[in-house]
Amino acid sequence: SYVLTQPPSVSVAPGKTARITCAGTNIGSKSVHWYQQKPGQAPVLVIYFDSDRPSGIPERFSGSNSANTATLTISRVEAGDEADYYCQVWDSSSDRVVFGGGTKLTVL
Amino acid sequence: QEQLVQSGAEVKKPGASVKLSCKASGYTFTSYYMHWVRQAPGQGLEWVGIISPSGGSTSHAQRFRGRVTMTRDTSTSTVYMELSSLRSEDTAVYYCARGAARTHFDYWGRGTLVTVSS
Repeated sequence: SYVLTQPPSVSVAPGKTARITCAGTNIGSKSVHWYQQKPGQAPVLVIYFDSDRPSGIPERFSGSNSANTATLTISRVEAGDEADYYCQVWDSSSDRVVFGGGTKLTVL
Repeated sequence: QEQLVQSGAEVKKPGASVKLSCKASGYTFTSYYMHWVRQAPGQGLEWVGIISPSGGSTSHAQRFRGRVTMTRDTSTSTVYMELSSLRSEDTAVYYCARGAARTHFDYWGRGTLVTVSS
């Protein structure tokens, strides 16, 4: 089955740029979606189809996807961005949803 | 606006079954897939399965084969997920999430905590 690998944690100072990666075999050929989850809350979609932003999501959130790595980039990081972030794909070969293990973003 | 309202917390004994509900409002129920996703305490997100509210067809993760049943009631815009032969490892928050283009989730319910304990 298809596997997505994320770093368990990423730390960044306020105002700096955070990059969270999601690795998968030839992930560049798939559409990647990203979710933000704060403690005790349901996940929220922040990026879909690699780089599209839902309405209400700040422009500071962006995404890219190429070859074997997709990346969620958060510019000008704020304290409120501290959360767990999950990447996700639809694996068409198995007709299944696959999540990455999640990355805890800590704002220093 | 779009809303998914889930049923309340459940406590079950090992071997029992649990049936969760998710009532949709604010959009055309039959126009969007509905997924179930679970999250064990302190763990990541795990996909359980998907149902098409229009036709009722379903698909689920391999690990739930034979244990999960997803249904829908179009008259009340509600989907259900029943998980049988519960074990302690099934203790988790179960979310319903609307499928945008089947491939990802644009709206989520608040989740239902299922605790399996003897």
